[in-house]
Amino acid sequence: KAGVTQTPRYLIKTRGQQVTLSCSPISGHRSVSWYQQTPGQGLQFLFEYFSETQRNKGNFPGRFSGRQFSNSRSEMNVSTLELGDSALYLCASSLVPGTQYFGPGTRLTVL
Amino acid sequence: SQQGEEDPQALSIQEGENATMNCSYKTSINNLQWYRQNSGRGLVHLILIRSNEREKHSGRLRVTLDTSKKSSSLLITASRAADTASYFCATDVQGGSEKLVFGKGTKLTVNP
Repeated sequence: KAGVTQTPRYLIKTRGQQVTLSCSPISGHRSVSWYQQTPGQGLQFLFEYFSETQRNKGNFPGRFSGRQFSNSRSEMNVSTLELGDSALYLCASSLVPGTQYFGPGTRLTVL
Repeated sequence: SQQGEEDPQALSIQEGENATMNCSYKTSINNLQWYRQNSGRGLVHLILIRSNEREKHSGRLRVTLDTSKKSSSLLITASRAADTASYFCATDVQGGSEKLVFGKGTKLTVNP
């Protein structure tokens, strides 16, 4: 089975722009979660989607949003980018509660 | 907020030695997982231990869980240079949430 895929792998944006990241879960997995990883804050939970519904949300401003499609693919969007949004964004999928399988991540740099 | 706290923050050992990393957490959990990350890449799932389990093995990995102390340890035996990575523990809060709360990780360096 193919693993979790994320596109793009690398992204450079400037402050004020917006960005959309994509995640394709492992086939059959209906839960998709997003995490932000920075040197200062470590790995932080952004949100989780299950069957196209946001089931859980972390403590991030409204500039961070996401959605999930009927095929379980998910996108996250960050509007009005700030320098502090530079991070590795990781997507994970799971079949049942428990083990989450992570993608390679999208490295976002905001200039 | 960080739930898990790994200890030590960094560990340097020689190939063939054992490496032990510890993790402490704050709230009741359903399970605890350990992940490995190489050089800022994606996380690789290593092992999951449920709250009603005390010890689990997978190859050269041994994980223990002490729910009374809210702590876990990961032992890597006969380490190899390829084990060089950051190791994170992650807990899910009881209640069926898929949200994982990660510690800051232990950076392991295995010298050949």
